[in-house]
Amino acid sequence: EIVMTQSPVTLSVSPGERATLSCRASQSVGSNLAWYQQKPGQAPRLLIYGASTRATGIPARFNGSGSGTEFTLTISSLQSEDFALYYCQQYHNWPLMYTFGQGTKLEIK
Amino acid sequence: VQLVDSGGGLVQPGGSLRLSCAASGLTFSTYWMNWVRQAPGKGLEWVANIKQDGSEKYYVDSVKGRFTISRDNAQSSLYLQMNSLRAEDTAIYYCACSTYYYDGSGYSFNPSFDSWGQGTLVTVSS
Repeated sequence: EIVMTQSPVTLSVSPGERATLSCRASQSVGSNLAWYQQKPGQAPRLLIYGASTRATGIPARFNGSGSGTEFTLTISSLQSEDFALYYCQQYHNWPLMYTFGQGTKLEIK
Repeated sequence: VQLVDSGGGLVQPGGSLRLSCAASGLTFSTYWMNWVRQAPGKGLEWVANIKQDGSEKYYVDSVKGRFTISRDNAQSSLYLQMNSLRAEDTAIYYCACSTYYYDGSGYSFNPSFDSWGQGTLVTVSS
């Protein structure tokens, strides 16, 4: 099973600044990686797929990068609505299996 | 696209429950469909998926032999039959459909989860 590890667990950043979230895979997943945002009491929302492609309607301040085992989600100029939980997900073994990272909580500094 | 999850509730250990997901705003029969769960205060865990025609189904190891995913394309509905429930199955269960995106010349498939239901809470407790 491919294990996804996100860091840090909690990230404190001021509004207007940049946030950088990391996701590492225990083995190569190519570019088969997605990022999701989840707010309290809500279902997750797809932000990025294919490691770097923004989903429909996602603002340009969200950028995904990386391939293989190391991935990054960068949010430039944080807005108040960006403070939430973020999860990475690999689908390299699709359709047999998906795994998520444990999440990074992005909080207001 | 709208996905509406239902069927959750309180059930005793060893009991059964059937979850449903009603889909609208999409051609349901063309989508791989999934169930994802989230235990209280915990992260996301993919549970199962099913091919467009129901001919392929896959499960996370922890539910194999206990849960069955199915679909009714005529009713645009997805189901999860959960048997032999355990306390560790307590979670919010979400249905989710895979992604189609326009690549300039047509629509292409991506296995990520583009749309999600609102979730339904399953509590396994005596």
